Amino acid sequence: QVQLQESGPGLVKPSETLSLTCAVSGYSISSGYYWGWIRQPPGKGLEWIGSIYHSGSTYYNPSLKSRVTISVDTSKNQFSLKLSSVTAADTAVYYCARMDDSSGYPVYWGQGTLVTVSS
Amino acid sequence: SSELTQDPAVSVALGQTVRITCQGDSLRSYYASWYQQKPGQAPVLVIYGKNNRPSGIPDRFSGSSSGNTASLTITGAQAEDEADYYCNSRDSSGNLVFGGGTKLTVL
Repeated sequence: QVQLQESGPGLVKPSETLSLTCAVSGYSISSGYYWGWIRQPPGKGLEWIGSIYHSGSTYYNPSLKSRVTISVDTSKNQFSLKLSSVTAADTAVYYCARMDDSSGYPVYWGQGTLVTVSS
Repeated sequence: SSELTQDPAVSVALGQTVRITCQGDSLRSYYASWYQQKPGQAPVLVIYGKNNRPSGIPDRFSGSSSGNTASLTITGAQAEDEADYYCNSRDSSGNLVFGGGTKLTVL
């Protein structure tokens, strides 16, 4: 079964860029599927950030599109998230997930990583 | 704000049946998927498509849809079903969107 593990700094300063990586095991990203990022502010609901196809095609939440970049590194079997110009509102648990190929919903989730934006 | 609307909280007596709903115009065109999230844990997919359960999800969980409303039904709720439940589908532009979540309390 596929497993996903997020990694990256737990603290980011305001106006800087948040960078996270999701390492995938149990499945080769280059073989297919969409891969995505979802976040959850403390005590609040889930928000889809964006998804990337194994070929590199990307789809972003319109509300975040101007600040988000998702990329894939098939040689390392991982994909990454960059969110620029962060503010305290970007403080959240960030999850990576393997998405369903046809409907795009998250199927398998990583455990999540808390990123706090603070000076 | 989410284009999928869920009741913030629902309660059910142990062993009884509870329905959690998700409303949105896009549900006339797209199926909803449903997630269970317990405190401090990642969400877990419990229902997808018309009414499909991933391996390992008890058959007391079922899904249905009518018009602009998708429903998750738990038949014979157990104490371990107490959790937050989120629906997920597409918005009117085809982007992925989650409902605001429903906190289920098992009494």
